[in-house]
Amino acid sequence: DGGITQSPKYLFRKEGQNVTLSCEQNLNHDAMYWYRQDPGQGLRLIYYSQIVNDFQKGDIAEGYSVSREKKESFPLTVTSAQKNPTAFYLCASSARDSYNSPLHFGNGTRLTVT
Amino acid sequence: GNSVTQMEGPVTLSEEAFLTINCTYTATGYPSLFWYVQYPGEGLQLLLKATKADDKGSNKGFEATYRKETTSFHLEKGSVQVSDSAVYFCARATGNQFYFGTGTSLTVIP
Repeated sequence: DGGITQSPKYLFRKEGQNVTLSCEQNLNHDAMYWYRQDPGQGLRLIYYSQIVNDFQKGDIAEGYSVSREKKESFPLTVTSAQKNPTAFYLCASSARDSYNSPLHFGNGTRLTVT
Repeated sequence: GNSVTQMEGPVTLSEEAFLTINCTYTATGYPSLFWYVQYPGEGLQLLLKATKADDKGSNKGFEATYRKETTSFHLEKGSVQVSDSAVYFCARATGNQFYFGTGTSLTVIP
């Protein structure tokens, strides 16, 4: 079955540590996205990538970094500079060559930083 | 600008009641419109979509019609079930740019 895999489902870190969230897709999608979800705030875009080796900042990129070395993979690093990193993180992908193709989401990673 | 406004929740309904969740959008151009559903602890799943004016998206008894004249895409279901309890997100997209509403929590009680 094609889909998006995010791992781990739950992640705990101490303040001041960087942490990397994994996102892999086997849908052959060109575009990939990272969103952050907080209660009552909907989804906010962190970074997106339309093609391998290229990515753009979203609305709340500060304190985060990404890479896109392979089409299937789009890992997100939450750095110690992110002031409030505890949240639910969602990865998504879409077919870039299909106009207005819907987003497909993974099941998310819940990050707790103490 | 490009934004999506949806009805604030939470919404609580009895089983078999009629559901409406309002969604309006502002956008230039001709966006596609989507409804996504999120069950607890999971990611978002596409529920239905419409790509042009007057299109009706439908799935699992849910429907929404793309109304360009009122810039709306309201979600409806004639008879909700307990299993419909979830958070519903309205979204619009132009190309690969997606914008989401803040979500509406629905609880259906037996």
